[in-house]
Amino acid sequence: EPEVTQTPSHQVTQMGQEVILRCVPISNHLYFYWYRQILGQKVEFLVSFYNNEISEKSEIFDDQFSVERPDGSNFTLKIRSTKLEDSAMYFCASSYMIGAFFGQGTRLTVV
Amino acid sequence: DAKTTQPNSMESNEEEPVHLPCNHSTISGTDYIHWYRQLPSQGPEYVIHGLTSNVNNRMASLAIAEDRKSSTLILHRATLRDAAVYYCILGGTSYGKLTFGQGTILTVHP
Repeated sequence: EPEVTQTPSHQVTQMGQEVILRCVPISNHLYFYWYRQILGQKVEFLVSFYNNEISEKSEIFDDQFSVERPDGSNFTLKIRSTKLEDSAMYFCASSYMIGAFFGQGTRLTVV
Repeated sequence: DAKTTQPNSMESNEEEPVHLPCNHSTISGTDYIHWYRQLPSQGPEYVIHGLTSNVNNRMASLAIAEDRKSSTLILHRATLRDAAVYYCILGGTSYGKLTFGQGTILTVHP
């Protein structure tokens, strides 16, 4: 069964450093998303991406965040200057017409 | 986004049916009803979605009230693997942005 894959599974970074979280969505999907989940809290929408541009973003997705689909398969989330409060699980998802399929997540720890 | 209300937690025994309710009294005529679940330490997983009619798939059934102000996710025979947080989410399309609430924590007893 096709799946969304995310790498790395765990990333530890120092405050102020840039991180790039990587995702390989399901190959025929057209819509791509990033969500995050701070430990013990709700899953929060960050951004959606369609046709090579951002289609919607939340208030969380400020200028420190960017997304890119550099080739036909990868979808990345970049955080330019990480803060302690960016520590969370980051989930990538993709969809075609029915439902969204999520990856297993990247646990980002900012120290 | 239209709001949904779910019980904080529910319990079931293995191999028994489970009915997970969701109220969405402010649903609009074009909102889809989505159900996702999140197993411990995993990403959310699509379960089922519907618009007006009841829906069945290999994982579950979705029963939608005639006035669409409530719905029920039915797991026909709960297994230990079904222990998860279940989210009822309204959305304008069958795909698209999802706004997660707190969901219902389902505990399944052996």
